[in-house]
Amino acid sequence: KAGVTQTPRYLIKTRGQQVTLSCSPISGHRSVSWYQQTPGQGLQFLFEYFSETQRNKGNFPGRFSGRQFSNSRSEMNVSTLELGDSALYLCASSTRTGEVTEAFFGQGTRLTVV
Amino acid sequence: AQKITQTQPGMFVQEKEAVTLDCTYDTSDPSYGLFWYKQPSSGEMIFLIYQGSYDQQNATEGRYSLNFQKARKSANLVISASQLGDSAMYFCAMREANGNKLVFGAGTILRVKS
Repeated sequence: KAGVTQTPRYLIKTRGQQVTLSCSPISGHRSVSWYQQTPGQGLQFLFEYFSETQRNKGNFPGRFSGRQFSNSRSEMNVSTLELGDSALYLCASSTRTGEVTEAFFGQGTRLTVV
Repeated sequence: AQKITQTQPGMFVQEKEAVTLDCTYDTSDPSYGLFWYKQPSSGEMIFLIYQGSYDQQNATEGRYSLNFQKARKSANLVISASQLGDSAMYFCAMREANGNKLVFGAGTILRVKS
């Protein structure tokens, strides 16, 4: 059974640009959550999607957005990139939403903004 | 608000010995879940073990066990018979009652010595 797949693994972007990251969950999993990991702030929750609907959102500016497709694949978009957006972006997949007992992460996308 | 505290920034353990990584949590929800993840230098978050707030017994998964003391609000990870491959960052996380959002601690770096 394939795990959670995130693409691309590495990205270098320039300030002001926008970027789209992709996450394919484990087959049969319908919930995808996104996290940002930085040395200063640690791991922070961005948002969760379940059945193409955003279920929960963290405390991030509107430049961060996401969506989920009917096949449960999810994308997150960051517009008008800032240097502080440089981070490891991780997505997690679960079978369902609410009181899950497992959440499996992908290898992450390492974004560098220059 | 939920909070996870990991007080040990770094730990050393001799190969083949057991090690305990500390985690305390704070929540007002009666229903919650506690997770431990391992993050090697590659960045992937590897799910290790889960404990539900209503579980009567401590969770175990192979060499990993979770020492759950509800009254003390602690969920320490015990790794038995440490191996060199256990060297990594370890994160404790808590899921809130009605969603998939995970709140993470700052992590503990574990180094296994030969």
